[in-house]
Amino acid sequence: EAQVTQNPRYLITVTGKKLTVTCSQNMNHEYMSWYRQDPGLGLRQIYYSMNVEVTDKGDVPEGYKVSRKEKRNFPLILESPSPNQTSLYFCASSSRAGYGYTFGSGTRLTVV
Amino acid sequence: AQSVTQLGSHVSVSEGALVLLRCNYSSSVPPYLFWYVQYPNQGLQLLLKYTSAATLVKGINGFEAEFKKSETSFHLTKPSAHMSDAAEYFCAVSAASGSARQLTFGSGTQLTVLP
Repeated sequence: EAQVTQNPRYLITVTGKKLTVTCSQNMNHEYMSWYRQDPGLGLRQIYYSMNVEVTDKGDVPEGYKVSRKEKRNFPLILESPSPNQTSLYFCASSSRAGYGYTFGSGTRLTVV
Repeated sequence: AQSVTQLGSHVSVSEGALVLLRCNYSSSVPPYLFWYVQYPNQGLQLLLKYTSAATLVKGINGFEAEFKKSETSFHLTKPSAHMSDAAEYFCAVSAASGSARQLTFGSGTQLTVLP
């Protein structure tokens, strides 16, 4: 089944403790992206990647890192999480630029 | 630069009534336009997309949207609402030229269907 898989689905952590949210797609898509969803703000792009080793900042990149060492994987790294990063995170992938993404099921992160 | 405005953060309709969710966009280049639906505790599912072919686009679950360049709009409609349509709907835009900038989303419209 074609899908984007994120892990974990739920995560509670403490301020300053480094964490990684994994994302993997099995569709051989070149484009991958991370979004965060907050009430009343819709989805805002954090980072995106157009291919292996090619990444760029989205609208809200501060406090996040990403890497794209393999085509299928696009992990999101929070080196020192803060409470304002409590949010619902989505990973997504696409075969073409701007063609519409397939989304993962989301990761609900709480930073206390 | 591109942006999306969804008019009405909450819309309520009666079962069987017309659904109309409004979306206006701005884009400096020809756009691709999308509607996504999000059911509670789930990810986003693509409803339909406009990619410069027919201006009237039909999607899943009986939804359709019309691209109107002169009005910079891409409103979502469904002739007869069903209880299962209750969800949050997001309009999104990207640059058809394939620029590096990816999807930009509106803030969403929560659709409630009343029995």
